[in-house]
Amino acid sequence: EPEVTQTPSHQVTQMGQEVILRCVPISNHLYFYWYRQILGQKVEFLVSFYNNEISEKSEIFDDQFSVERPDGSNFTLKIRSTKLEDSAMYFCASSEARGYGYTFGSGTRLTVV
Amino acid sequence: QKEVEQNSGPLSVPEGAIASLNCTYSDRGSQSFFWYRQYSGKSPELIMSIYSNGDKEDGRFTAQLNKASQYVSLLIRDSQPSDSATYLCAVMANQAGTALIFGKGTTLSVSS
Repeated sequence: EPEVTQTPSHQVTQMGQEVILRCVPISNHLYFYWYRQILGQKVEFLVSFYNNEISEKSEIFDDQFSVERPDGSNFTLKIRSTKLEDSAMYFCASSEARGYGYTFGSGTRLTVV
Repeated sequence: QKEVEQNSGPLSVPEGAIASLNCTYSDRGSQSFFWYRQYSGKSPELIMSIYSNGDKEDGRFTAQLNKASQYVSLLIRDSQPSDSATYLCAVMANQAGTALIFGKGTTLSVSS
């Protein structure tokens, strides 16, 4: 079964450092997303990406965050200057079309120290 | 602020029983509704989608939607210990968008 692949599975970084989280969505999917889940809390929407541009973003997705699809397969989330409160599980997801459910990747656990 | 509300549980049922999970949402214009299962430390896994009022069945799972009451539910028949997980209700809140808004989830525990 097709899957969304995320790397790395776990990243530890120092406060103030930049991190890039990587994702390979399912190949025929058109919509891509980043979500995060702080330990014990709900899954929170960050950003959606369609047709090579951001289609929606939440209040969480401020100037410290950016997304990119540098080639035909990868989808990345960059956090420019990490804060302690950025520590969370970050999930990439993709969907085939608007209104369809997403397929989530296995996540990257980001720990900011 | 668009909200999706679920009882956090835990909901405890014996093996073989029916588990009933409930969810309410605030945005009356919502069109698409989903149930995800999340095992501890893992990513959400899509188990059901529902778009119109009424019931939708898939194996042991039945999703129910009542847009007038802004209510979605999930029934799990013949519950198994492997069904023990957190069940997340998700709503596509914006008719022009694709962002899913998740509830906090209900933890289900099925005892053998």
